[in-house]
Amino acid sequence: DQQVKQNSPSLSVQEGRISILNCDYTNSMFDYFLWYKKYPAEGPTFLISISSIKDKNEDGRFTVFLNKSAKHLSLHIVPSQPGDSAVYFCAASAWPSYDKVIFGPGTSLSVIP
Amino acid sequence: KAGVTQTPRYLIKTRGQQVTLSCSPISGHRSVSWYQQTPGQGLQFLFEYFSETQRNKGNFPGRFSGRQFSNSRSEMNVSTLELGDSALYLCASAVWASENGELFFGEGSRLTVL
Repeated sequence: DQQVKQNSPSLSVQEGRISILNCDYTNSMFDYFLWYKKYPAEGPTFLISISSIKDKNEDGRFTVFLNKSAKHLSLHIVPSQPGDSAVYFCAASAWPSYDKVIFGPGTSLSVIP
Repeated sequence: KAGVTQTPRYLIKTRGQQVTLSCSPISGHRSVSWYQQTPGQGLQFLFEYFSETQRNKGNFPGRFSGRQFSNSRSEMNVSTLELGDSALYLCASAVWASENGELFFGEGSRLTVL
């Protein structure tokens, strides 16, 4: 039973355009959400996070939006760059077990020059 | 400072054997988590240790076990290997409960079971 879902296994975007990666979750106890990025042959690296008390968090070209009522979050990358080509994992955790981070299956993003 | 180190990076085993994987966290990090990555399943949570105690466990059979030592280094063991155990095993460390959710991952140990 996958609690964190990323229904698009892959996404292709032109350089300079916006990339939107989507994530849905089923566990209403989740109150902290994260995005990780993974290049081949490397471990995932933390990208950005958002607490359930917010509906938006921005860090440079990356913005995460949270819609709690829909149990949905999205990661926007603007503008997309070829170096953004990687697998993006959505993840979630719940108080008090913030140390138990549940990941989605990932979305492979290709940014075409 | 040095990142999370996992050994071995690659290994091949046969069904029925057992395997031990090692993880050295970032210095000062006391929480170590283990994940299994397989195609289409993403990262599946195995367990998390803090100060030598298992705090959280995922939904894996008892063949998967782990431990943490006093220096925060961790090992995971898989006994009676099955073909389906072939995967990339990732270790991640955090200061304690990853206050902002930030886990620091190693490059993983890729296990192939024949």
